[in-house]
Amino acid sequence: DGGITQSPKYLFRKEGQNVTLSCEQNLNHDAMYWYRQDPGQGLRLIYYSQIVNDFQKGDIAEGYSVSREKKESFPLTVTSAQKNPTAFYLCASSIEGFYSPLHFGNGTRLTVT
Amino acid sequence: SQQGEEDPQALSIQEGENATMNCSYKTSINNLQWYRQNSGRGLVHLILIRSNEREKHSGRLRVTLDTSKKSSSLLITASRAADTASYFCATDPLGAGGTSYGKLTFGQGTILTVHP
Repeated sequence: DGGITQSPKYLFRKEGQNVTLSCEQNLNHDAMYWYRQDPGQGLRLIYYSQIVNDFQKGDIAEGYSVSREKKESFPLTVTSAQKNPTAFYLCASSIEGFYSPLHFGNGTRLTVT
Repeated sequence: SQQGEEDPQALSIQEGENATMNCSYKTSINNLQWYRQNSGRGLVHLILIRSNEREKHSGRLRVTLDTSKKSSSLLITASRAADTASYFCATDPLGAGGTSYGKLTFGQGTILTVHP
C-alpha cells in the first residue's frame, strides 16, 4: 500500500535539545510538505519541497530546518531556537504541488518540557 | 489572518440529518479543497474544486463554490456517526497578476459530531 509514514507517533524532548521528525513516502510524489497544528487551530506551513535538493520556507520556518536528499524522504529538525515547539506535526506529499490533493501522514505529537 | 475561515466552529447533529459547513476566504484563489481529520490523525482529502467550477459531488458529499462571494460550502447528506471529525477548507490563493503563491492555506476547521 502506498502512503506516508511519520515516525515516531509520540516524541518527548527536553528544552534545548534538537529533535528530528521522520517522514517517508512511497507514492512517488515530487512535492512534500511539513505543517504544524496547534490545539483548535488550522494547519500552518513550515517548509515545503517541490523537487529533490530544493525546499522553500513556509509561513513559520523560524526554528526549523529540513533536507530533501531523496525523493522519498523529507525529515524535519526542530531546533532549540524554536520558542514553542510542542505541537502536532504533519507531513504531506502531492503529485504536482498545491494544484493537486495533499496526502497526509498520521502525524507526530512532539512534547518539549 | 486566516485565508479560509470555517463556519460554524462546531456542529452537532443526529444520524441521518444533513450537515452543512461553510468556508469564506479573502483573496482570489486557484482552487479550494476540503479535508477531513479524525481525532489525533492526519488529514484526508475529500474534494478539490477549481475556481472555474461551481459544484462538485462525491458520494454523499456536495461542495459548492461562489467566487463572487468568496465562499464555499460542504454538504454531507444522510450523516453517519462515522462522519464525526473535523473538516477543514484549504485555499490556494492567487497574488497580484493571478499567480499562485504556491501555498495551501488552511482554515481552523469545523468540528462535526454526529450522534447515533
